[in-house]
Amino acid sequence: AQSVTQPDIHITVSEGASLELRCNYSYGATPYLFWYVQSPGQGLQLLLKYFSGDTLVQGIKGFEAEFKRSQSSFNLRKPSVHWSDAAEYFCAVVSGGYNKLIFGAGTRLAVHP
Amino acid sequence: DAGVIQSPRHEVTEMGQEVTLRCKPISGHDYLFWYRQTMMRGLELLIYFNNNVPIDDSGMPEDRFSAKMPNASFSTLKIQPSEPRDSAVYFCASSRINQPQHFGDGTRLSIL
Repeated sequence: AQSVTQPDIHITVSEGASLELRCNYSYGATPYLFWYVQSPGQGLQLLLKYFSGDTLVQGIKGFEAEFKRSQSSFNLRKPSVHWSDAAEYFCAVVSGGYNKLIFGAGTRLAVHP
Repeated sequence: DAGVIQSPRHEVTEMGQEVTLRCKPISGHDYLFWYRQTMMRGLELLIYFNNNVPIDDSGMPEDRFSAKMPNASFSTLKIQPSEPRDSAVYFCASSRINQPQHFGDGTRLSIL
């Protein structure tokens, strides 16, 4: 069965520091992968997606993610974190047909000034 | 395009009452998903529709929960009777095939 693992429940970084959030997936075929961000009291907003092609994907708000098939990973990165990036981040993979998503448990990011 | 619209944003009601949550998907999207989010269980998929037809409701916790999609622009999630353990944030999302899901801002439900 497909699954998504986000090993880090909480991460704290200083403003201006670089960020990497980890995501590992279990999926037999080439996966469709997503990163979403959820700010408090809000719904989930799409940061970026990977369907095929270039394994380094650029998203909104200065985020990028790299698909590594050999490691079954799709880690999210940002070179310099802003205080407004404090939120919860979810990795997801499409499972089977019908666009159903399997979500990871999420990583909550705190940013220190 | 307007995003996914959910109503109400907040609902507080007493145990035993019927609760109806509403969702208007993005025009042209033929998939609609209902999720529940809690601290303990995270984000759970309850049910999803394709072209207004329920495809998989295996995530619906009990018979007290029901969902309908009478047309392409409207869906409801109903809880009857409601219980305190149903307190959560309920999200609706919509998408086209092979495209990302777009989420509404959710309904925060509190059952007293």
